[in-house]
Amino acid sequence: EAQVTQNPRYLITVTGKKLTVTCSQNMNHEYMSWYRQDPGLGLRQIYYSMNVEVTDKGDVPEGYKVSRKEKRNFPLILESPSPNQTSLYFCASSPGLSNQPQHFGDGTRLSIL
Amino acid sequence: AQTVTQSQPEMSVQEAETVTLSCTYDTSESNYYLFWYKQPPSRQMILVIRQEAYKQQNATENRFSVNFQKAAKSFSLKISDSQLGDTAMYFCAFMKHKGGSEKLVFGKGTKLTVNP
Repeated sequence: EAQVTQNPRYLITVTGKKLTVTCSQNMNHEYMSWYRQDPGLGLRQIYYSMNVEVTDKGDVPEGYKVSRKEKRNFPLILESPSPNQTSLYFCASSPGLSNQPQHFGDGTRLSIL
Repeated sequence: AQTVTQSQPEMSVQEAETVTLSCTYDTSESNYYLFWYKQPPSRQMILVIRQEAYKQQNATENRFSVNFQKAAKSFSLKISDSQLGDTAMYFCAFMKHKGGSEKLVFGKGTKLTVNP
């Protein structure tokens, strides 16, 4: 089954404790992206990757890091999480062709205390 | 930069009736894609319908159809014969035809409640 898998689905942690949210896709997609969803703001892009070792900032990259060492994986790293990063996070992937829709993971709810 | 505006934060409709969700966008691009995504309480992001800007014909998917007015930069979603399972947050989104980032620009969403 074609899917984008995020882990964990839920996480409650404390300020400053490094965390990683993993994202993996099994569709051999070129393009992967991270979004955060906040009430009243919709979804905003954090980082994206067009291919292995190619990443770039989206609209709200501050406080986040990403890496793309393998085509299927695109982890989101919060080196020193802060309460304003409490949010719902989505990973998405697509073949990299604009006429193909993006596939979303099921989301990760992060709470930073 | 592109912006997407959904002017209705919340809407409600009776089961079996028709409802229209509004979306306007701002762009200087001539070729682009527009999407409606549905987010039920399970939080999944589900693609409802997609429209390519260079196509004049409005997209339809079963009970879902769009009214795409390119000159007015409007992209409304019509849901016919509303069902209880249509209760969800609906997001309108824009993507440039090219440009590399494949970034979806989302509106803030419309919360739709279908009442029995």
